[in-house]
Amino acid sequence: AQKITQTQPGMFVQEKEAVTLDCTYDTSDQSYGLFWYKQPSSGEMIFLIYQGSYDEQNATEGRYSLNFQKARKSANLVISASQLGDSAMYFCAMREGLQGAQKLVFGQGTRLTINP
Amino acid sequence: GAVVSQHPSRVICKSGTSVKIECRSLDFQATTMFWYRQFPKQSLMLMATSNEGSKATYEQGVEKDKFLINHASLTLSTLTVTSAHPEDSSFYICSARTSGAGETQYFGPGTRLLVL
Repeated sequence: AQKITQTQPGMFVQEKEAVTLDCTYDTSDQSYGLFWYKQPSSGEMIFLIYQGSYDEQNATEGRYSLNFQKARKSANLVISASQLGDSAMYFCAMREGLQGAQKLVFGQGTRLTINP
Repeated sequence: GAVVSQHPSRVICKSGTSVKIECRSLDFQATTMFWYRQFPKQSLMLMATSNEGSKATYEQGVEKDKFLINHASLTLSTLTVTSAHPEDSSFYICSARTSGAGETQYFGPGTRLLVL
């Protein structure tokens, strides 16, 4: 079963508009972490934002915020005032547990295109 | 954020040769590094977890004799693709995990491998 689900293969948004990228997750752990990464065409993975399962407030980093709804197991990324440079692939990822290697599991990604 | 480098960024080799990819954490020590593989238009798939001073842990379906991983120091892990074949052509990305509060994984820029 998919642990991370991103249901939007592609999104098209007008410049300066806000955009929400969906991510739902599945875990039985009480302690876990949720991440969003941006991957431009160059291929590098750029860390955007992190939300811990015990964090009571939604994480924010500049124009990025994470809409964390624990009961619904969703961790949507919100980008405010989108820019042309935001066009890229976006991956949601989850790290489970406190022990062990704590590897990341990635969703399938959403390709975001910002139109001028 | 923390910086992770990867070398080479791009490599083309003949079928049957071996290719070594280096992953370095430049400004922090990483006891754990991860190696991922990404096919075009797909998500990242974890290949193995590399632990400093011990054997790597491979994901199911990844041939450990094909993909040799060495984590000789706290800042360097190497992935060697032995006897490479065209089906090994892919984008290989490493990541290194910081420790302590707010830990996260930072990714290298990736290596594009093309086996002719």
